Amino acid sequence: DGGITQSPKYLFRKEGQNVTLSCEQNLNHDAMYWYRQDPGQGLRLIYYSQIVNDFQKGDIAEGYSVSREKKESFPLTVTSAQKNPTAFYLCASRPGLAGINNEQFFGPGTRLTVL
Amino acid sequence: AQSVSQHNHHVILSEAASLELGCNYSYGGTVNLFWYVQYPGQHLQLLLKYFSGDPLVKGIKGFEAEFIKSKFSFNLRKPSVQWSDTAEYFCAVRIYNQGGKLIFGQGTELSVKP
Repeated sequence: DGGITQSPKYLFRKEGQNVTLSCEQNLNHDAMYWYRQDPGQGLRLIYYSQIVNDFQKGDIAEGYSVSREKKESFPLTVTSAQKNPTAFYLCASRPGLAGINNEQFFGPGTRLTVL
Repeated sequence: AQSVSQHNHHVILSEAASLELGCNYSYGGTVNLFWYVQYPGQHLQLLLKYFSGDPLVKGIKGFEAEFIKSKFSFNLRKPSVQWSDTAEYFCAVRIYNQGGKLIFGQGTELSVKP
């Protein structure tokens, strides 16, 4: 069954701790994306990667870090430097350069609550 | 900076009413346009998309949208809504040659009363 998996669905952390959110896809997509969803603000782009071992900052990258060591995996670390980390985090992927007219597919999301 | 604006934050309709959700974007170049829907407890999924050609595009579940380039708009419509259309709707724009990233509007929450 192909798709994007994010784990865990709910995550609780204490303030000041780093936390890593998992995103895995078996769609053989080149590009992967991380968005943050807050009520009334839509989705905002944190980081994206168009190819393995390369990634770019999005609009709200401060306090976050990513890696792209494997095509199928794009983990996001929320560091203690992120001022307001409590949010719903969505991972997405897209076929990438091979197909210009294509869309992003989204995972189920991880809801992070920092106590 | 590029941005996407959705006119309504929360829309409440009765079943069988017609729906139109507004979406405007600020960018003068080539764009792709999308409407995504997020049903309660479900993944964000694509409703419809516009890349080129006929500006009136049809999507799933009876939804359609019209791209009006002169107005920088991509409004979503449905002639007759159902209770099952209750969800949050997001308009998104992809700027050509910017890594495929999407710029989303704030979202519109649609509540349909049975």
